[in-house]
Amino acid sequence: AQSVTQPDARVTVSEGASLQLRCKYSYFGTPYLFWYVQYPRQGLQLLLKYYPGDPVVQGVNGFEAEFSKSNSSFHLRKASVHWSDWAVYFCAVSLMSNYNVLYFGSGTKLTVEP
Amino acid sequence: DAAVTQKPRYLIKMKGQEAEMKCIPEKGHTAVFWYQQKQSKELKFLIYFQNQQPLDQIDMVKERFSAVCPSSSLCSLGIRTCEAEDSALYLCSSSQPGTDYAEQFFGPGTRLTVL
Repeated sequence: AQSVTQPDARVTVSEGASLQLRCKYSYFGTPYLFWYVQYPRQGLQLLLKYYPGDPVVQGVNGFEAEFSKSNSSFHLRKASVHWSDWAVYFCAVSLMSNYNVLYFGSGTKLTVEP
Repeated sequence: DAAVTQKPRYLIKMKGQEAEMKCIPEKGHTAVFWYQQKQSKELKFLIYFQNQQPLDQIDMVKERFSAVCPSSSLCSLGIRTCEAEDSALYLCSSSQPGTDYAEQFFGPGTRLTVL
């Protein structure tokens, strides 16, 4: 069955530092992968999405992610973190055969230190 | 701006009571999803509607929940008899299926607390 693992429940970085949030997926075939961000008391917002094609995808606010089939990974990166990036980040996989239902990882809470 | 609306934002029920929450999908969207999120953890898919018809749902929803979309502009999710384990944030999303993957837009959620 499909699954998404985010091994880091919490990540703390200094403002201006680079960031990588890890995501591993388990799925037989090529999945559609997503990163969502959840700010306090708000719903989820889409950061970026991967469809089969270029393994590096660009998202909003300077985020990018790289798909690796060999590593079954879809890590999120940002070159320079801003305090406004303080939020919870979710990796998700979609199986196009299942009406685009999203299957989420457990999330990574990002804390940004001044 | 695109927006999915959910009401109420907060809901408190006693164990054994019935609960109901509503979702207004983005105008023109024909697909509606409900997810359950406990303690800021992963979202769990509950049920999916397409053109107001339920097309997929997990067993828990079949057994203990009631979900309908009486119109294209309103859906509701109910719990017949609340249990403590139902305390969670319930998120609704909508999308417009097309030739490409249809992005889901999420509402702010209804936070249910069962005492």
